[in-house]
Amino acid sequence: AQKVTQAQTEISVVEKEDVTLDCVYETRDTTYYLFWYKQPPSGELVFLIRRNSFDEQNEISGRYSWNFQKSTSSFNFTITASQVVDSAVYFCALGGGSQGNLIFGKGTKLSVKP
Amino acid sequence: NAGVTQTPKFRVLKTGQSMTLLCAQDMNHEYMYWYRQDPGMGLRLIHYSVGEGTTAKGEVPDGYNVSRLKKQNFLLGLESAAPSQTSVYFCASSFPRLGTYEQYFGPGTRLTVT
Repeated sequence: AQKVTQAQTEISVVEKEDVTLDCVYETRDTTYYLFWYKQPPSGELVFLIRRNSFDEQNEISGRYSWNFQKSTSSFNFTITASQVVDSAVYFCALGGGSQGNLIFGKGTKLSVKP
Repeated sequence: NAGVTQTPKFRVLKTGQSMTLLCAQDMNHEYMYWYRQDPGMGLRLIHYSVGEGTTAKGEVPDGYNVSRLKKQNFLLGLESAAPSQTSVYFCASSFPRLGTYEQYFGPGTRLTVT
């Protein structure tokens, strides 16, 4: 069975702190994709990144970086020098299988205080 | 391109009433999905469709029906609404031939059943 676990329900940091959001996944598929989405208070889902199972290179995009480790089935997300605008719920998701749908974690609510 | 649109954005129903949520996409995507989002639960798959005229059950299908009469539209019906169906509903579409499982989400419909 496929499963995504985001153990951190809520995280609160002060602006400019670095913060890492954890994501652990389970799958028996050899080919799969991992995603991170941001859901700001306005409610829409904003796509952040997609990673396929064959590409373990870490990725950096501005203040955002992602660490994919197949050995530990983890796909962690780090925000460097957090800002108030980063306050949102962040979802990790796993894609694979014939249905084509995504399996979502329960989300981590990040609050960045000024 | 409008992408994925959902109608309505908000709705309040009384227990026992029926309604239909409309999802439309203009990207010629084959696969379409309905998810529900509840606090602390992430997104869960209700029903999905892999092509015009075909539908299938997801993780939480009870109390819902769907139809995909046209490729661009995916309708979600509640025949007799219950308070447990109070949720935010997201529609998504994808183009599986790309093999990336990337999904494009609509803005969501917030439904309250009293």
